[in-house]
Amino acid sequence: QSALTQPASVSGSPGQSITISCTGTSSDVGGYNYVSWYQQHPGKAPKLMIYEVSNRPSGVSNRFSGSKSGNTASLTISGLQAEDEADYYCSSYTSSSTLYWVFGGGTKLTVL
Amino acid sequence: EVQLVESGGGLVQPGRSLRLSCAASGFTFDDYAMHWVRQAPGKGLEWVSGISWNSGSIGYADSVKGRFTISRDNAKNSLYLQMNSLRAEDTALYYCAKDQTVAGTPTGAFDIWGQGTMVTVSS
Repeated sequence: QSALTQPASVSGSPGQSITISCTGTSSDVGGYNYVSWYQQHPGKAPKLMIYEVSNRPSGVSNRFSGSKSGNTASLTISGLQAEDEADYYCSSYTSSSTLYWVFGGGTKLTVL
Repeated sequence: EVQLVESGGGLVQPGRSLRLSCAASGFTFDDYAMHWVRQAPGKGLEWVSGISWNSGSIGYADSVKGRFTISRDNAKNSLYLQMNSLRAEDTALYYCAKDQTVAGTPTGAFDIWGQGTMVTVSS
């Protein structure tokens, strides 16, 4: 099973908005609404930011939003803040097996 | 406090075995699917294996299928990963993660993560 495709890096200035894409196939991103996004700071465990394409867990800032079009999911962060600088990963359920998930390669967000 | 604590990692020679454990607390363990996710040094996340709340559904990444076995003991609030025939490419930090969905079909929204246990496969 191939990993989902994410840009290696994105950057933005404080206050700006950025979008991170996550491209898969009709067997994963395009076929199911089980896309999640995770934030990982260096040396820390990942944190769930978005689940089921566009839902935010309790406690996650509404500056984070998710969407999907076809085989591509997107994470948008508005009003960039210094603490948003981290690695971001998407994941999706895939139809390879009864229980099977795949991650994207990760995107390094730099706040300039 | 909701918590997952992994243990059992260490340095192991290629071809040998290792068993990881994950102790859960602060939530009703047997209501949720659980997963193992690993991260090689300096690399991205890789889903390794998942198990439904009642062990009725189990899945593995192709990279570990036939070598790793996931299991759980709901009476002990514990998740396990038996790793056999270990290879150098299995070297990674192994995280235990809780699926957000109560019972039913896991959605792969990993809402609680442990701090990980490091596995190093080297001669």
